[in-house]
Amino acid sequence: ELKVEQNPLFLSMQEGKNYTIYCNYSTTSDRLYWYRQDPGKSLESLFVLLSNGAVKQEGRLMASLDTKARLSTLHITAAVHDLSATYFCAVTATSGTYKYIFGTGTRLKVLA
Amino acid sequence: EAGVAQSPRYKIIEKRQSVAFWCNPISGHATLYWYQQILGQGPKLLIQFQNNGVVDDSQLPKDRFSAERLKGVDSTLKIQPAKLEDSAVYLCASSPARREAFFGQGTRLTVV
Repeated sequence: ELKVEQNPLFLSMQEGKNYTIYCNYSTTSDRLYWYRQDPGKSLESLFVLLSNGAVKQEGRLMASLDTKARLSTLHITAAVHDLSATYFCAVTATSGTYKYIFGTGTRLKVLA
Repeated sequence: EAGVAQSPRYKIIEKRQSVAFWCNPISGHATLYWYQQILGQGPKLLIQFQNNGVVDDSQLPKDRFSAERLKGVDSTLKIQPAKLEDSAVYLCASSPARREAFFGQGTRLTVV
C-alpha cells in the first residue's frame, strides 16, 4: 500500500529565513504533487513533478523529486508572511486506479 | 474555465441524521474523486469514479456512506446515519484520465 509521510508537521519560521519540507513515499509513484491549503479553503495546486531529478520553481518555492530515494522536497527561500499555509504532497501510484495519496501536511507559520 | 462546484458549503446536522453533498466537476473530466479531510489531517480518498463507474471505494464506509455519479457528470455523496466522527470537510475533485486533479471548495460538515 502506498503511504506518504511529511515532515515536519509544524513549522514556525521567521521572515527572511530558508527552510525545507520533506515528503517520503513508500512505493514507486507515477507523479508527485505539491498543494497549498489556506484555512477554510480548498487545495491549490503548486507543482507537478513527473520524473527523477525534476525541479520546479515558482517565486520563493522550489520543489524537487528524487524517485530513487522516493523523496521530494519543497524549499522555501526568504520566507514571507503570505506563505503561511498548510502544504501537502500527494503521489499517484504507477498502477491501478490513479488515486491520489496525500501526506499528513506541513503547517507553516511565517512570523513577521 | 469553470472549476469544480460543490454545495452546500457548510452543513450542521445532529448525529443519526442523514445528509447529502453535491458535486459538479469540470466539463469533460472523466475522473471524479470524493475525499474526506478531518481537521489537521491530509485528505483521504473515499471513492473514485471513472465516468459513471466506481473504480475504487475501498475506504468508503459502505454501511453509512453511498455515492453515485449521474450520467458520468454530477455526483452526490450521502451519509446515513451520520456519526460524530464524520465531522470533516468533504472535497470533490475531477481530472481528465490519469492527469492532474482540480479540487472544489469543499463542504464542511459538523455533526453534533
